[in-house]
Order: sequence, then structure tokens, then C-alpha cells
Amino acid sequence: IAGITQAPTSQILAAGRRMTLRCTQDMRHNAMYWYRQDLGLGLRLIHYSNTAGTTGKGEVPDGYSVSRANTDDFPLTLASAVPSQTSVYFCASSDSYVLVGQGENEQFFGPGTRLTVL
Amino acid sequence: GENVEQHPSTLSVQEGDSAVIKCTYSDSASNYFPWYKQELGKRPQLIIDIRSNVGEKKDQRIAVTLNKTAKHFSLHITETQPEDSAVYFCAAIGREAAGNKLTFGGGTRVLVKP
Repeated sequence: IAGITQAPTSQILAAGRRMTLRCTQDMRHNAMYWYRQDLGLGLRLIHYSNTAGTTGKGEVPDGYSVSRANTDDFPLTLASAVPSQTSVYFCASSDSYVLVGQGENEQFFGPGTRLTVL
Repeated sequence: GENVEQHPSTLSVQEGDSAVIKCTYSDSASNYFPWYKQELGKRPQLIIDIRSNVGEKKDQRIAVTLNKTAKHFSLHITETQPEDSAVYFCAAIGREAAGNKLTFGGGTRVLVKP
């Protein structure tokens, strides 16, 4: 693995089904993030994690849950998918979390998961 | 929380001309402002960033300026080329005790016409 990966690449899902999107990074970054990007729109933060064992809510957390059992993995779960969750989902990671402006702030994005809920 | 607005939403330029994208932010404590480029069907990638202790930063044909007093920052692309066609996002880090949570602007779709 090099960088940050996501699985699956794409998925069609029936409404009401449970789905987990996977994200793994091998850069030993302490912070990780999940964004959704709707067609023609910008990136909106769903959940984030500053370090293993901690998570926080972003701008649009409803209907989603995350866990951060270790540094490398940050799965996103849709407990009961709805059509409005049709989107492209991007996972990202960054190195620094202690203080803004210290260390490396760049967020590296995964290739994305295209999810369609019917 | 932080709010970032980006203009214009679409920008069409002739090859060789310059392109300028402007963003404003709301949180005066924000001190890191990255710009991402997203080509069609691909992931966003950082192209340049600026910190609040710097007023301008340049990297070849791209430059970013920051006006902390007015809380706005801009991306300038000179001598545009067809490969500059993409969606560009500005972002800012809002006031947080910890974490690098970025707030993104809505994006600018840039089309460079040959």
C-alpha cells in the first residue's frame, strides 16, 4: 500500500442496507477525515479523527458513523442507507493535529468511493 | 464555525490568459489556506498553500495572495494551459483547539479554451 486507499471503488446499494466504506493509509498520519462530494458541489466533512481512539462530527454527520481503532484504518458506516446519501466519498489524512500551523497540514485524499443508493 | 465562500463558480479563459479565483473566510483565527485542484473523476490534490504569516506565495505559474485584514485570499494562474482545466477549491482551517479540520469553498470550475 502506498499512500491512502479506499474500497470499494464504487457500489450500488439498495435503500435500507448497511454499508461500510473502508479507508487505509500507510503514512502514519494521526488525523483522518471523511468527506462527501455531491455532483457539481464542494467537499463537506462528515466525520474526522484527530488520533486513534478519538472521533468527531463534521458538518454533515447524520446517518453516518466512524471508528478509529488504530492509526491506519478509518471506516465509515452507513447504518441504513438512503438515496440522499448517493455521493462520492473521499477519505483523507494529515500529519499534524496538535496545533494549527505546526507541522504538516496538507491533507492527502484517497481515490474516492462512488456510492449510489437506490 | 468557519465559513468559506468562493467566486466565481465557473471561469472560462483563453489559453495564455490569466485566471483569478477569490475566496473569503469568516474566522479571523484561521491561519492556513490551501488550494486544491480536482481533475474530472479524480481526487483533490494540493497545488499550493499559504500561512497567515505570509502575504504572497508563488510556485511557477501559480500564486496565492492573502489579505488577513480583509479575510480574503486569491489564487492566480498565469499563462493558462489546457491542462489547467479542472475544479479548484480553496479552504481554510477554522478555530479549533486541536485538529486540522478544513472548511472548503464551493469550488470554481475552470475551463481553458485552446
